[in-house]
Amino acid sequence: EPEVTQTPSHQVTQMGQEVILRCVPISNHLYFYWYRQILGQKVEFLVSFYNNEISEKSEIFDDQFSVERPDGSNFTLKIRSTKLEDSAMYFCASSRSGGTQYFGPGTRLTVL
Amino acid sequence: AQRVTQPEKLLSVFKGAPVELKCNYSYSGSPELFWYVQYSRQRLQLLLRHISRESIKGFTADLNKGETSFHLKKPFAQEEDSAMYYCALSVGNQGGKLIFGQGTELSVKP
Repeated sequence: EPEVTQTPSHQVTQMGQEVILRCVPISNHLYFYWYRQILGQKVEFLVSFYNNEISEKSEIFDDQFSVERPDGSNFTLKIRSTKLEDSAMYFCASSRSGGTQYFGPGTRLTVL
Repeated sequence: AQRVTQPEKLLSVFKGAPVELKCNYSYSGSPELFWYVQYSRQRLQLLLRHISRESIKGFTADLNKGETSFHLKKPFAQEEDSAMYYCALSVGNQGGKLIFGQGTELSVKP
């Protein structure tokens, strides 16, 4: 059964550095999402992406964040200048028709 | 306001006992609700979607619009049911975001 994959599984970075989190959604899916979960808190929506553009973004998704689908398979989340409070588990999800979302295993980002 | 509430952070039961994980939502539109499960160190997996009205691994959930609830139930808990359970609400149009509850950790003791 096809699954969403994410790399790396764990990323450690220094404050102020740029990070790129990568996701490969399920191949025939059309809707893509990023969520994050700070330790001990709920899973929070960051951004949704459809038809090569952002459909919706949360207040968290400020100018430091960007998303891209550079080719037919990858979906990336870039954080331009990381802050300590960006430390979290980042989940990618995809959906075929905008219904059920299927999640990747997550990337744990640690900002020192 | 759009909100999902799971009042119990931890629910501990013995094997064979009935389980009910509570979920309440607040949404002015037509709700579409899901239960996701996360086993230790694994990804969030879809357990149930209210539209499909099916039973997965013995779990069922009924949408009660009057009480704005979508409680997850299983008549006889198994040890392998131990996991984090998240209730989620899909908002907006097709492809809309999910709003998650805080999650309930279910611990099934032998």
